[in-house]
Amino acid sequence: EVQLVESGGGLVQPGGSLRLSCAASGFSISDHYMDWVRLAPGKGLEWVGRTRNRGQNYLTEYAASAKGRFTISRDDSRNSVFLQVSSLKIEDTAVYYCVRWTAGAGRDWGQGTLVIVSS
Amino acid sequence: DIEMTQSPDSLAVSLGERATINCKSSQSVLNSSNNKNYLAWYQQKPGQPPKLLFYWASTREFGVPDRFSGSGSGTDFTLTISSLQAEDVAVYYCQQYYSAPLTFGGGTKVEIK
Repeated sequence: EVQLVESGGGLVQPGGSLRLSCAASGFSISDHYMDWVRLAPGKGLEWVGRTRNRGQNYLTEYAASAKGRFTISRDDSRNSVFLQVSSLKIEDTAVYYCVRWTAGAGRDWGQGTLVIVSS
Repeated sequence: DIEMTQSPDSLAVSLGERATINCKSSQSVLNSSNNKNYLAWYQQKPGQPPKLLFYWASTREFGVPDRFSGSGSGTDFTLTISSLQAEDVAVYYCQQYYSAPLTFGGGTKVEIK
């Protein structure tokens, strides 16, 4: 069974940093594109970025709102994906989801981890 | 970047009636080399992660009831619920994956009238 479990969220002050983790099971992340998507309170879904698979040299891509502040990485040996979020702003408050991309769509989603940016 | 515009923002439909959600992309998401539209639909209920309904614009995900249908090509797409059930109350999103950055529509909230 495919499972994605996010962790690492919490309360952080503006300007602070967090490292979000996504532990995958039931498949090997090296074969898949892995995305991060967020849902801010009262807003819609926003794609944050992705790490492509081993065949695509793990290329990373980011939304404009994430470039320069967020970094996606992966550790295939731990079957985990990470999102380092830095220089956090109030508007980064959101539930952050890890998504497995397979066969043409974002098919599998974790339950999400909540990041609250507040002083 | 490809901008996705959904309409309406919200929709109240009687049980058993049809619900129609529109999604328009600022440029075509049809790949002419494989004739596939790089467009997905998701359903999100409160407190839950999004659930994939359709990919390639009209390919129903396994387990999605056939009262749901996806259609359209190029820049104009539609999600239709032919006979609304109580469990369909949710926010629905379209997403293009033709090019990065991937982008979502703003969402359509479907409620019971």
